[in-house]
Amino acid sequence: GEEVAQTPKHLVRGEGQKAKLYCAPIKGHSYVFWYQQVLKNEFKFLISFQNENVFDETGMPKERFSAKCLPNSPCSLEIQATKLEDSAVYFCASSPRQYDNYGYTFGSGTRLTVV
Amino acid sequence: SQQGEEDPQALSIQEGENATMNCSYKTSINNLQWYRQNSGRGLVHLILIRSNEREKHSGRLRVTLDTSKKSSSLLITASRAADTASYFCATALYNKLIFGAGTRLAVHP
Repeated sequence: GEEVAQTPKHLVRGEGQKAKLYCAPIKGHSYVFWYQQVLKNEFKFLISFQNENVFDETGMPKERFSAKCLPNSPCSLEIQATKLEDSAVYFCASSPRQYDNYGYTFGSGTRLTVV
Repeated sequence: SQQGEEDPQALSIQEGENATMNCSYKTSINNLQWYRQNSGRGLVHLILIRSNEREKHSGRLRVTLDTSKKSSSLLITASRAADTASYFCATALYNKLIFGAGTRLAVHP
């Protein structure tokens, strides 16, 4: 389809629980990106994929965050042992090519609330 | 901020007026992009300007880029109430977009 589909829209987890977010990029887009937006402020880059390979993971808090993009499956972002500070909206985006002058298409986000 | 500053942080205008937002950045870039975020929604891509371009237009949008000053501006002409949103600039390098903190624009009827 022509939209980036993120599920669920809302997720509530108790501190210490696991959270898993999903993203289906636009068909034919090779690149997938995850961003975290806290309190409607700036978007923090987490990780990007080129197809199923990690392209750039410089933004990932590696001790608790992990992500995958497997063939024929939605991409996923998993947070083990969530903390209050993980409360944010997590956005997924996809784009067709590297370096080229294309904008990203963003999904509507998953709002994670850690209580 | 991961990249730079957007100025102003908030802008309130009347319908029909022009709105100008500025963005500064710190690193070299391949291109600079502007996005809009309506409340509770994802980002919508508005316009992209390459590093070798100085000005670009799209409908009521005009973007300028000054790479020597590492700055860009977004002008929305003849604003409408529907333009009320947050606007973010983002710089692209090595296929990663780095976003500014955004400008919240309110257009009053």
